[in-house]
Amino acid sequence: IAGITQAPTSQILAAGRRMTLRCTQDMRHNAMYWYRQDLGLGLRLIHYSNTAGTTGKGEVPDGYSVSRANTDDFPLTLASAVPSQTSVYFCASSGLAGAGYNEQFFGPGTRLTVL
Amino acid sequence: GQNIDQPTEMTATEGAIVQINCTYQTSGFNGLFWYQQHAGEAPTFLSYNVLDGLEEKGRFSSFLSRSKGYSYLLLKELQMKDSASYLCAASDSNYQLIWGAGTKLIIKP
Repeated sequence: IAGITQAPTSQILAAGRRMTLRCTQDMRHNAMYWYRQDLGLGLRLIHYSNTAGTTGKGEVPDGYSVSRANTDDFPLTLASAVPSQTSVYFCASSGLAGAGYNEQFFGPGTRLTVL
Repeated sequence: GQNIDQPTEMTATEGAIVQINCTYQTSGFNGLFWYQQHAGEAPTFLSYNVLDGLEEKGRFSSFLSRSKGYSYLLLKELQMKDSASYLCAASDSNYQLIWGAGTKLIIKP
């Protein structure tokens, strides 16, 4: 693999179900991020991790959890999905955290529909 | 609060020049990014400005005025493949990116 991969590409989920979105990068980047993108709104940060073993809350963390057991993987879990979590989810990574020039590289996205 | 404003949609003609404006208000400032996003795809990096002035990169240029909280992206010699959304994002005091909603650019022949 090269860059960032996300799985699944798309998913339809019943409300109340648990779901984990997977994200893997092979660039040895320290920082990783989860965003959601909704029509008419900018990308909104859900959770982030500046380095393996640490995580932080973003702008819209409620209903989501993350873990960062190693450098490459950063899964996002919806414990009990609700329709308002219908969105396109992007995982991103960057080489440095806490740096001005901190270009983020994005995965292809997961389109999630909660019914 | 933190806020990024950019126009929702713009239309331009193939071969012409277009300027997409962005104003920002953030708690601290560590630079301004522009990304391009084609429909159904992921955002990709275009430019980064942290000092006042113009940065030129081929057909694309980006300008920053820190005192005015203002940036623009200039696209020259427009091509049909430039039809996309252009996202403005400011890096705040915690180096987190605050994103605008994006400007959808429509190119007409």
